[in-house]
Amino acid sequence: AQSVSQHNHHVILSEAASLELGCNYSYGGTVNLFWYVQYPGQHLQLLLKYFSGDPLVKGIKGFEAEFIKSKFSFNLRKPSVQWSDTAEYFCAAESSFQKLVFGTGTRLLVSP
Amino acid sequence: NAGVTQTPKFRVLKTGQSMTLLCAQDMNHEYMYWYRQDPGMGLRLIHYSVGEGTTAKGEVPDGYNVSRLKKQNFLLGLESAAPSQTSVYFCASSHRGVAPGNEQFFGPGTRLTVL
Repeated sequence: AQSVSQHNHHVILSEAASLELGCNYSYGGTVNLFWYVQYPGQHLQLLLKYFSGDPLVKGIKGFEAEFIKSKFSFNLRKPSVQWSDTAEYFCAAESSFQKLVFGTGTRLLVSP
Repeated sequence: NAGVTQTPKFRVLKTGQSMTLLCAQDMNHEYMYWYRQDPGMGLRLIHYSVGEGTTAKGEVPDGYNVSRLKKQNFLLGLESAAPSQTSVYFCASSHRGVAPGNEQFFGPGTRLTVL
């Protein structure tokens, strides 16, 4: 079955530290990839997405992700995190037309 | 625009009781989805709809039914609630694009506890 894996379940960082959250997918063909964020008490919001073109994708709030086809990866990065980045982050892949498969999520806690 | 709204926000049921969760969107989206979110398991698709009057099963459909009588509404029903259905339920909607990769917009969620 097609799946998305996020290996970091909990990450704790200090402000200004760099962030990289791992995401791997198991699809063999063309895949569209997303990162969603869920801030405490809020609904999921789209951070960024990749479906073609430049494999380095820039999203909102200074986040970026790199699609590496040979590694089946789509890792999320931010050079310097802020306390306001505390949230849960979900990687997702579009398995068939407009149906998403989500990873299990990574809880990020940024300490001031 | 309100976006995607869900009612109720919280609900506690006893085993065997029934209830309906309502999702509404005001973005004129064709596609609507119901997910459940459980600790350590991410979001899993329960049912979805590609248009008014159509529904389809997702990854975890057992114990749930859905209806899409109006384009803007997508109802999720539990006929006989079980403790295993304790979860947070999210509704989402998206525009029907000519190519994949359309963003899904999510509602605020409904926290359901089944005792």
